[in-house]
Order: sequence, then structure tokens, then C-alpha cells
Amino acid sequence: DGGITQSPKYLFRKEGQNVTLSCEQNLNHDAMYWYRQDPGQGLRLIYYSQIVNDFQKGDIAEGYSVSREKKESFPLTVTSAQKNPTAFYLCASSIRGPGPQHFGDGTRLSIL
Amino acid sequence: GDSVTQMEGPVTLSEEAFLTINCTYTATGYPSLFWYVQYPGEGLQLLLKATKADDKGSNKGFEATYRKETTSFHLEKGSVQVSDSAVYFCALLLGFQGAQKLVFGQGTRLTINP
Repeated sequence: DGGITQSPKYLFRKEGQNVTLSCEQNLNHDAMYWYRQDPGQGLRLIYYSQIVNDFQKGDIAEGYSVSREKKESFPLTVTSAQKNPTAFYLCASSIRGPGPQHFGDGTRLSIL
Repeated sequence: GDSVTQMEGPVTLSEEAFLTINCTYTATGYPSLFWYVQYPGEGLQLLLKATKADDKGSNKGFEATYRKETTSFHLEKGSVQVSDSAVYFCALLLGFQGAQKLVFGQGTRLTINP
């Protein structure tokens, strides 16, 4: 079955540490997205990528970085510059034209 | 700017009750509209969508009609079940710079009691 796989499901970060969240899709989608979800709030866009080797900042990109070296993969690094990283992170993908985004099951990041 | 406003939750209903979750939006252009559902500990699943005015999206007994005149996309279900307990997100989709930007409401938590 096609879908989006996020790993790990739970992740813990120490102070001053960078951590990387994995997102892989086998839907053959060109566009991929990272969102952050905080309790009781909607999703906010961190970064998005329309095509391999290209990505753009979303609404809350500070303290995060991404890469898009392969069509299937869009990893997100939460850097030590992100002072409040505790959240639920969701990856999504879509076709490049109009259409819904498909989501993974998320990674919950906590601070030790 | 573009935004989505949802009915505040939490919403608690008894099984077989009628459900309405209100959603209104502000957008430039002509967005597509979506309802997503999130079960505990999971990602979002697309529930239904509508791409133009007067379109009705439907799935699993849920319906929503794209009302351009009132800029609304209210979610309804005639008879809810315990398994419908989840968080529901209304979202609008606008194309920007070739990509598709989803703007979400804050979510409405629904609990159905047996």
C-alpha cells in the first residue's frame, strides 16, 4: 500500500542537541511538507518542497532545517536554535497540482 | 490574510445525535476546502473535500457544502457513533508558487458517549 512513513514515533532531545525526523513516501508525489502541531491548535507549516533539491520556508521555519535529495524523502532537523521544540510533527505529501495532502502518523518530540 | 475559524470545542454528544461543526473561512481567490479527522496519536486523514462553490463533499455519513456566499463549510452528520470521537480540522487549500498551501482551523475535539 502507498503511504507516508514517519519515524520514529517518539523522540527525545537533550538540551543543545540537534535531532532529525524521518519522512518517506511511496506515493510518487512531487511535493512534501512539514507541519508542527501544538496542543489545542491547528497545524502550522514549517517547510515545504515542490521538487527534489528545492525547498521553501513556511510560516515557522526558524530553528528548523530540511533537505530534499530524493523524491521519496524529506527529513526535518530540529536544531538547538529551536527553543520550544516539544510538539507533534506531521509530514505530508501531495501532487503538484490542486489536490489534498496526505499525512503520515506523526512524530512526537519531547525535551529531556 | 487567509484563515479558517472553527467552532470551539470540545463538543460532547450522545450516540445517534445530529452533529454540526461550524467552519468559516477568509481567503483571497477561490480555495478548495477540506475536512480532516485526527484520531488519538495519529496523523490526519482526509474526510471529505469540495473544490468549488455549491459542491457537496461526503464520506462515511459526513457531509459539508461549500457556501461561497457565507464563506462557510460546515460539517454535518445525521447520526454519530462512538467511533466518530476524534479531532476534526477544517482547512482551505490555496495554490502558491506552484505548491499547495493548506491553512488549518484550530480543530474541534468531538466526544461521542454511548
